[in-house]
Amino acid sequence: AQSVAQPEDQVNVAEGNPLTVKCTYSVSGNPYLFWYVQYPNRGLQFLLKYITGDNLVKGSYGFEAEFNKSQTSFHLKKPSALVSDSALYFCAVRASLQGGKLIFGQGTELSVKP
Amino acid sequence: EAGVAQSPRYKIIEKRQSVAFWCNPISGHATLYWYQQILGQGPKLLIQFQNNGVVDDSQLPKDRFSAERLKGVDSTLKIQPAKLEDSAVYLCASMSGVSTDTQYFGPGTRLTVL
Repeated sequence: AQSVAQPEDQVNVAEGNPLTVKCTYSVSGNPYLFWYVQYPNRGLQFLLKYITGDNLVKGSYGFEAEFNKSQTSFHLKKPSALVSDSALYFCAVRASLQGGKLIFGQGTELSVKP
Repeated sequence: EAGVAQSPRYKIIEKRQSVAFWCNPISGHATLYWYQQILGQGPKLLIQFQNNGVVDDSQLPKDRFSAERLKGVDSTLKIQPAKLEDSAVYLCASMSGVSTDTQYFGPGTRLTVL
């Protein structure tokens, strides 16, 4: 069965510091991996995805993520955090051979303090 | 390009009442999804449509939930009768139909069942 784990319910960083939000996955076959961000009372906004190719993918708002097949991880990173990055972040996986259903992690609350 | 539209944004009902949610996907997107997001959890798929046909409804509580996508464009999700545990945000998403593509989400409908 497919699954996604986000081991940290909350991540706290100071503005200007680098941030990492962790994600590990379990899926049969090649994974398609996604990161979404959710602001209060808003839907999910797409940040980036890994389908194939370069393990480091760049996305919106300066975010990037690194696909590590051996560790089955897809951690989200940003070199310098902004207060406006504070939000709920979701990692999701879709098995390449299946229909478009996404399996989401439980989410990580990112708090960036000035 | 217009995004995924959903209405209403908020709905409060008494248990055992019925409720309906509406979704208009991005123009030209063949695939439409309804997800349920309970507070503190990641979204979970309820039903997936490809054009006007159902692809996956394995997680839809069919004794009380129903959904349709007439003419392969707009979709309606209905709950009848509602239970307290149906309190959640209902998210609609659409995708072009290619498995490597991105799902784009609407703002969601927050349902409170009293």
